[in-house]
Amino acid sequence: GAGVSQSPRYKVAKRGQDVALRCDPISGHVSLFWYQQALGQGPEFLTYFQNEAQLDKSGLPSDRFFAERPEGSVSTLKIQRTQQEDSAVYLCASSFGGAGGLLSYEQYFGPGTRLTVT
Amino acid sequence: DQQVKQNSPSLSVQEGRISILNCDYTNSMFDYFLWYKKYPAEGPTFLISISSIKDKNEDGRFTVFLNKSAKHLSLHIVPSQPGDSAVYFCAASASFFQGGSEKLVFGKGTKLTVNP
Repeated sequence: GAGVSQSPRYKVAKRGQDVALRCDPISGHVSLFWYQQALGQGPEFLTYFQNEAQLDKSGLPSDRFFAERPEGSVSTLKIQRTQQEDSAVYLCASSFGGAGGLLSYEQYFGPGTRLTVT
Repeated sequence: DQQVKQNSPSLSVQEGRISILNCDYTNSMFDYFLWYKKYPAEGPTFLISISSIKDKNEDGRFTVFLNKSAKHLSLHIVPSQPGDSAVYFCAASASFFQGGSEKLVFGKGTKLTVNP
């Protein structure tokens, strides 16, 4: 399929470990987003890229969280020194971006990575 | 401070009847609204959207209504089917023209159960 893919689907990390979560957006989508979803809550914005430029990282909860998209396609969300409160589902979404007019706002989500920190 | 609120955590309806899911927002800069459907262990799936220049958008069994003065939107599903059982999220965005970015602000979701 041509949807958004994420890997791994499940990750268990011991407190203090570093983790890296990968996102492959839909081909041709300019914008890429990361969201965090805690149990029983809606997704919450973390950060946003337009091509390789990180235009908004206001949602990153601490400096332990870092995201990159070096070639404007695949993105990696890295969490250093994981804590138990980092346990959540991390969702990646992509969209056409500003050039898509109103379609810019329709974001297509991957299946998510469920992170459990023990 | 929740900018997008879905006050009903759950809703149960009979197959064939109408399902109405509600959403309220507080930020007057929001000018684009979306509904997503989510099954367990999957990512949210885009369902339907509406721009603030409209008050209604229809796509098959799904209709979204927007009342800007009340800062309220609703999703109607007619007729409801058992396969519609899922969690529904309302989301909002402020466009670049409004000084926003493309990020979506989500409500907490409403779990819809359609009984056969």
